[in-house]
Amino acid sequence: QSVLTQPPSVSGAPGQRVTISCTGSSSNIGAGYGVHWYQHLPGTAPKLLIYDNNNRPSGVPDRFSGSKSGTSASLAITGLQAEDEADYFCQSYDSSLSCWVFGGGTKLTVL
Amino acid sequence: QVQLQQSGPGLVKPSQTLSLTCAISGDSVSSISATWHWIRQSPSRGLEWLGRTYYRSKWSIDYAVSVKRRIAINPDTSKNQFSLQLNSVTPEDTAVYYCARVNRGERHFEYWGQGTLVTVSS
Repeated sequence: QSVLTQPPSVSGAPGQRVTISCTGSSSNIGAGYGVHWYQHLPGTAPKLLIYDNNNRPSGVPDRFSGSKSGTSASLAITGLQAEDEADYFCQSYDSSLSCWVFGGGTKLTVL
Repeated sequence: QVQLQQSGPGLVKPSQTLSLTCAISGDSVSSISATWHWIRQSPSRGLEWLGRTYYRSKWSIDYAVSVKRRIAINPDTSKNQFSLQLNSVTPEDTAVYYCARVNRGERHFEYWGQGTLVTVSS
């Protein structure tokens, strides 16, 4: 039911690289609106990880990176650490709906 | 550093009104550099943007179509906060509700409140 589509779960071993995809449409990601990524731990406020496709706020490790192509975007996490285990969701803006839209979230498990 | 502190009841009866407040520190609800939003998250509906308010030369408010007939977002300049009211709630409105801030001209949520679980049940 989410406007942006993410895989429900991904996993990786410590030190590995994982990617999380976010697929939208021509009225949101494909229309040129930026994609933003958040890390969300249960019971806490979501934390901005990546904004405008590939920019990191200060304090976010460079192990986190974002990319965008066409109607999709990806979040990559390298050098996986146990503390990275969390939910991750993408967000953009939709011009047809005239509202902010989100992905359904992806649970990252560090094996 | 902007901080958003949410308050309000965690239990609301069906058909009644859900009311939450988001108190702002480190910024002003009247700032022309910000917009102030409400978002909710539930297992059935995922993350859903509900609406926003902002001040430029006057106050503006935008609502999501899905809740437009039942929602009100209001700024309170005397207390530097903004509120959410959702009328005629049903169990479908059970969710974690968040307030958040977006910089003017941008579209990402830089600051979030801590979240409030609101359960609609008799």
